[in-house]
Amino acid sequence: AQSVTQPDIHITVSEGASLELRCNYSYGATPYLFWYVQSPGQGLQLLLKYFSGDTLVQGIKGFEAEFKRSQSSFNLRKPSVHWSDAAEYFCAVGTLHDKIIFGKGTRLHILP
Amino acid sequence: ETGVTQSPTHLIKTRGQQVTLRCSSQSGHNTVSWYQQALGQGPQFIFQYYREEENGRGNFPPRFSGLQFPNYSSELNVNALELDDSALYLCASSLGGLAGESYEQYFGPGTRLTVT
Repeated sequence: AQSVTQPDIHITVSEGASLELRCNYSYGATPYLFWYVQSPGQGLQLLLKYFSGDTLVQGIKGFEAEFKRSQSSFNLRKPSVHWSDAAEYFCAVGTLHDKIIFGKGTRLHILP
Repeated sequence: ETGVTQSPTHLIKTRGQQVTLRCSSQSGHNTVSWYQQALGQGPQFIFQYYREEENGRGNFPPRFSGLQFPNYSSELNVNALELDDSALYLCASSLGGLAGESYEQYFGPGTRLTVT
């Protein structure tokens, strides 16, 4: 069955430090992979997506993610976080009929 | 180009009642998907409508039903509300195509439903 695992429920980093959020997926075919961000009380905003091609994808707000098929991973990175990056981050895999399966999310906290 | 809108923003209902949530898709999109996001959880897929037909359903009981209209807007109806139905309900629109292809989904701000 398809699934997405985000092993870190909470992550705290200092402003200006680098960030990596982990994501592992389980899907039988070539996956479509996404990272979304959700600020409190808001809907979901797409940060970046991987459909095919270059395994390192660039997104908005300075985020990037790398698809590693051998590890079934799609980790999100940012070289230097800003206080405004504090939010909930969801990794997701797209399946047949555009159904998207989400992980449980990682809450990012930023220390000043 | 207008984005995805949802109404109402917040709603309080009593157990056993029925509720209808509405979603207007982004201009040019023909597919609407609905998700339930319980507190502290990721969104869970309820169902999807493509060109007015149901096109996939998640693990939700039949009291969750939906409609899509010719202008591609959509409704989510929930009958016999239970306390566990309290959640943020998100809709997402996309330009759907052939089965097996996944298109970028654009999410609305959600409707917060509280069942007491």
